[in-house]
Amino acid sequence: DQQVKQNSPSLSVQEGRISILNCDYTNSMFDYFLWYKKYPAEGPTFLISISSIKDKNEDGRFTVFLNKSAKHLSLHIVPSQPGDSAVYFCAASLIGGNTGKLIFGQGTTLQVKP
Amino acid sequence: SQTIHQWPATLVQPVGSPLSLECTVEGTSNPNLYWYRQAAGRGLQLLFYSVGIGQISSEVPQNLSASRPQDRQFILSSKKLLLSDSGFYLCAWTPGRGGYTFGSGTRLTVV
Repeated sequence: DQQVKQNSPSLSVQEGRISILNCDYTNSMFDYFLWYKKYPAEGPTFLISISSIKDKNEDGRFTVFLNKSAKHLSLHIVPSQPGDSAVYFCAASLIGGNTGKLIFGQGTTLQVKP
Repeated sequence: SQTIHQWPATLVQPVGSPLSLECTVEGTSNPNLYWYRQAAGRGLQLLFYSVGIGQISSEVPQNLSASRPQDRQFILSSKKLLLSDSGFYLCAWTPGRGGYTFGSGTRLTVV
């Protein structure tokens, strides 16, 4: 049962254009969402997060949008740079408890072409 | 500042051999600790998590086990590796809720 889904395994965009990575979830009890970036043979690094009480969070070139009614979030990267080429994972955390468990999607490989 | 160490970076083991991967965290106390696996072409699968010494929760029934003998030490083990155990293993920590900090990962190849 995949509670967090990234249906696009890969995305290719031109440098300078916008990259939009999508993520869908099924569990309405998720209250916190995060995006991670991963280069090959390295651990993922935190990129940006959003609480379920918000619908948008922006940090520099990165903006995350949350649509709770659609159970959908997206990551926008503007402008895209070749160094952004990596695997991007969305993750979700459940309300309550102190386990801090994150449920990850399958990842989307972004390629930014110069 | 907090740091997380994970070793070894790469490991090639024959089928049926034992496994021990170690993860330690510095600069914090009582962290929540996690083991994830990224299999080829797949996402990050949570294997085990621990909220305290000796407290281990397993997310997926499998050939692996985990232990937390000390507050900032988390060990992933197997008595007999299977080919399907190959993958990229990641240790992570968090002070409670919120974002994880991941280790650099261990690439395990079972041959």
